Amino acid sequence: KNEVEQSPQNLTAQEGEFITINCSYSVGISALHWLQQHPGGGIVSLFMLSSGKKKHGRLIATINIQEKHSSLHITASHPRDSAVYICAVISRGGADGLTFGKGTHLIIQP
Amino acid sequence: NAGVTQTPKFQVLKTGQSMTLQCAQDMNHNSMYWYRQDPGMGLRLIYYSASEGTTDKGEVPNGYNVSRLNKREFSLRLESAAPSQTSVYFCASSDGTAYGYTFGSGTRLTVV
Repeated sequence: KNEVEQSPQNLTAQEGEFITINCSYSVGISALHWLQQHPGGGIVSLFMLSSGKKKHGRLIATINIQEKHSSLHITASHPRDSAVYICAVISRGGADGLTFGKGTHLIIQP
Repeated sequence: NAGVTQTPKFQVLKTGQSMTLQCAQDMNHNSMYWYRQDPGMGLRLIYYSASEGTTDKGEVPNGYNVSRLNKREFSLRLESAAPSQTSVYFCASSDGTAYGYTFGSGTRLTVV
């Protein structure tokens, strides 16, 4: 069973700051998702990574397969980025579901 | 609208009552999943169906049953609800690879 650890659990920052959320996992994977969940809301997939780096707007996600580690970065953070960010991995094979981290609760203050 | 549709969005049950959570997807995905989300625990897999006609247990299957009615629909049944099943339930589907994961909007279930 893959163990997925995220850090930090909670993060409060000021608008404009550069944000980094980390994710590590214990067993080799086929892919990793970064998900976003607003309070009381649904879950949206931000990125799916199997190697390297992806960028979408102010969001950047990286993964190091050898070190079993991924990071999600937010540049020029904004209060609307306040949400829970969840790392989830798919084990090799793929069809038996995601294993999730417990999430990082991010608050961006104006 | 393309995606995963869950019903109902909210439900309150009394202990011992039964109910079925419905999930349907229109993306022609082979794989479908039921997860529960609890504070401090993250999301955990209850059951999944890798293809029509097959279902398998996930991490926390006790107290639940599932039916993959056809390729589009995957339902979750609570036969005798317990307060420990108070949670937010999410259905998801994927094309069976690492890609194309889509979540429903969730069902908030309270068992009193």
